[in-house]
Amino acid sequence: DIQMTQSPSTLSASVGDRVTITCRASQSISSWLAWYQQKPGKAPKLLIYKASSLESGVPSRFSGSGSGTEFTLTISSLQPDDFATYCCQQYNSYPWTFGQGTKVEIK
Amino acid sequence: QVQLVQSGAEVKKPGASVKVSCKASGYTFTSYDINWVRQATGQGLEWMGWMNPNSGNTGYAQKFQGRVTMTRNTSISTAYMELSSLGSEDTAVYYCAKPRGSTRPKDGMDVWGQGTTVTVSS
Repeated sequence: DIQMTQSPSTLSASVGDRVTITCRASQSISSWLAWYQQKPGKAPKLLIYKASSLESGVPSRFSGSGSGTEFTLTISSLQPDDFATYCCQQYNSYPWTFGQGTKVEIK
Repeated sequence: QVQLVQSGAEVKKPGASVKVSCKASGYTFTSYDINWVRQATGQGLEWMGWMNPNSGNTGYAQKFQGRVTMTRNTSISTAYMELSSLGSEDTAVYYCAKPRGSTRPKDGMDVWGQGTTVTVSS
């Protein structure tokens, strides 16, 4: 199975900050990576697919980059609604696997 | 609008089975797989497997092989996930989710059910 490792596990930031989350795959997954946002008690929401493609309706302050084994999710200017947990997921091969998540907290 | 609506919360005893349903609407049910993902309290997301509603073909994570069965009823656009031999470690929220793409690459999961809480307790 492909292991997905995210860092950091927790991130404290302020409104307006630029935030970057990293996701590493244990082997190459090309660009077959998705990013999700999840709030407490809610289902995950797809933000980014194919490493850098923005899902429809997602604000442009979210962006993704990377290929192979190293990927990043960037929020250019953190907004109050962005305090949540973010996780990556590879869909290069079954079984699909997720990172453990990064919680973005208010500083 | 495209949506997946899941059945309600379940409480089961150890050793029992649970069957969760996922009703699709707003799109052609047989055109997209249904995936099942679970999340224990305070933990990350765990992919359990997929089902092709058109063919009935399935693929399960090895961890759940022999314990999970994914089926569907195309006449009512509903998918099912049954998990047997439940233990306390199966206490979690179970989600069904539709992939963004109908063919490979699937491009992540863009529509999710609201989640079904399964509690395993004696």
